[in-house]
Amino acid sequence: NAGVTQTPKFQVLKTGQSMTLQCAQDMNHNSMYWYRQDPGMGLRLIYYSASEGTTDKGEVPNGYNVSRLNKREFSLRLESAAPSQTSVYFCASSPTTVGAGYTFGSGTRLTVV
Amino acid sequence: AQSVTQLDSQVPVFEEAPVELRCNYSSSVSVYLFWYVQYPNQGLQLLLKYLSGSTLVESINGFEAEFNKSQTSFHLRKPSVHISDTAEYFCAVSAFSGTYKYIFGTGTRLKVLA
Repeated sequence: NAGVTQTPKFQVLKTGQSMTLQCAQDMNHNSMYWYRQDPGMGLRLIYYSASEGTTDKGEVPNGYNVSRLNKREFSLRLESAAPSQTSVYFCASSPTTVGAGYTFGSGTRLTVV
Repeated sequence: AQSVTQLDSQVPVFEEAPVELRCNYSSSVSVYLFWYVQYPNQGLQLLLKYLSGSTLVESINGFEAEFNKSQTSFHLRKPSVHISDTAEYFCAVSAFSGTYKYIFGTGTRLKVLA
C-alpha cells in the first residue's frame, strides 16, 4: 500500500525557474494538503483542497499555485522560484471525518540557488 | 483561530529516563489534539490523538498524552525512553473549517543519549 507518493524527492532550481511538485494518494481521501517545513518554524500550510474541485489558500500561499487534478492527485507549482522557497515540502491527505489523522508523503527537498 | 506552542525546541535525555514534551494550545472553539513523530528524512506519522472522552490517550510504543482543558495543554510523556525514540515531535490542533485543517507547533527535537 503506497499511501501518499511525492515526486521528485530532491530538486535544485535556479532563481526564476519553474517546477511542479507532484502528489498522489491511493486511499480515496477527500482532502489533500501542501505544507512546507523550515527549521524552527514547524510545518506551515501552503494550500489545501477540501474535496475534488476545490482549493484554498493556507498560511503561506504567495509564490505558489496548486491544481487538484482529480481525487487522487494534488500538484504544487512554483512559477518563478526564489531562494526563500528553499524548504522541504510535504503533501498530506485525510478523509473528511472528525479526528482523522493525516497521511504524509516522504517529502521533497527543494533548494533554490 | 487556533495556535500551538511547543515550549522546548530540543530535549536531550538519557536512555531509560522519563521525558515530557510540552504542548499548549489556544482556541475559541473545541479542538482535536494530536502528536506526530518525524524520524530523520521521513514524513510525519501520527503518534496519538485526543478527540473526546478519556483525557489520557496512549500510543502503541509507550507514549501517552493528557488533555488538560483548564491549562490548555496536551503534554506528551514516556516513562522510559529508548535510543530509537530519537526524532522530532510535533503537536497539532485541528478544528473544522470546511475540512479538518491542522495547525502545527514548531516541533521538539528529542535526542536520547546512551
